[in-house]
Parts: sequence; C-alpha cells; structure tokens
Amino acid sequence: EIVLTQSPGTLSLSPGERATLSCRASQSVSSSYFAWYQQKPGQAPRLLIYAASSRATGIPDRFSGSGSGTDFTLTISRLEPEDFAVYYCQQYGSSPKTFGQGTKVEI
Amino acid sequence: EVHLVESGGGLVKPGGSLRLSCAASGFIFSSYSMIWVRQAPGKGLEWVSSISRSGDYIYYADSVRGRFTVSRDNAKNSQYLLMNSLTAEDTAVYYCAREGFHTPDPYDYWGQGTLVTVSS
Repeated sequence: EIVLTQSPGTLSLSPGERATLSCRASQSVSSSYFAWYQQKPGQAPRLLIYAASSRATGIPDRFSGSGSGTDFTLTISRLEPEDFAVYYCQQYGSSPKTFGQGTKVEI
Repeated sequence: EVHLVESGGGLVKPGGSLRLSCAASGFIFSSYSMIWVRQAPGKGLEWVSSISRSGDYIYYADSVRGRFTVSRDNAKNSQYLLMNSLTAEDTAVYYCAREGFHTPDPYDYWGQGTLVTVSS
C-alpha cells in the first residue's frame, strides 16, 4: 500500500497570501495518477487537480499542482476567503487508492 | 447536471447490518466505475470499494473485505453497499463517488454522504 504523508498538518495564512501544501509518497507514484481534493466543513470533497497538474473543470487558475515520483505540491497563489478548507492528496494508480491525512488551511 | 444521492445511513448496533444506496442522475451511469469512500468523525478519507461499469470487477479495502458487499443496478442508476458485522470502527460518513471515464481516474463527482453510526 502506498502511504501518502501530507505536510504541514495545519497552515495558518491570511487572504492574499500564497499557500504551499506538500504530499510525499512512500514509493514512486506515476504523476498521471495523482490528485488533490478540497473539503469544506460539512461538505463532500471536491476534485481540484488530477494527473498531478491538470485543473478539474471549474477550478480557478490560482490553484496549481506539480511534482513527480514521491513528492507532489499543491500551490494556491493568492488565498481567497473561500479557500480556507482541508486539502487531501490521493494516488489512484495503485490499489488501494490511498489518500493523505489532510492539510488544513486556516486563517 | 451530475447528482449522486446517498441514503440508508443511521444508527446500528455492533454486529448489525445496514444497506446503503446511491442514486445517480445526470450521466450515463453504466459508463462509469463507482466508488464508496468513508470518513470517520474528524478524520481523513478512506477508500472503501470500487465497482466497474458492468459490475464484473469489484475491489475492497482490507478493513472491510469479507464484511461489505458492493453491487450496482445499471437499470436503476444505483449502486449499493451492504455492510455486515459492523463495529464502532465503521462509524463514518459514507460518500458515493464517480470515477472518471478513463479508469484509473480520480473521483470527479461526490454525493453529500450518509452517516453510519455503530453504537450500542
């Protein structure tokens, strides 16, 4: 099983600042099969990024993904108030399709 | 517009059973693999099961294999999760999700979830 470790656990920032979230895999992951999700309190997760760097439909361009191998990054260039949420990484190329434990972006 | 609506959650005693349903609309249900993901209170996301378009290929997390059974009815645009021998560790919000068209793909649409509470 591929274990995904996200850091930091919590990121305290202000609107307008840049957020950098990391996800490290216990073994190499194909960048074709790496995703990021956003989850707000009381809501279902929403797909943000797939194939490591492609934005899902309707996702603003302030969200970007990068990385390969075992290290992946989600960057939010300028935080908007609605971006404060929990973010999860996922690898979906190997079974079981595991998630990271989440990074909370808070004000 | 794609919609996924889960139902069937509730309070069940340890050792009991529950059947969750997920009703899909807004897309050709039979063209997509479907997923169950759960989230324990205050915890992260855990993939539970996957079922292929025709139901021929089914996969389970180790934590539920042998206790949970996933199925689908393409004529009714629905998938189901039969959960047996439930324990407190199964307490979670259970989400139904759609896997993108090209397996393997990420989960591009999610339902709002249904809460399962296992407690005496």
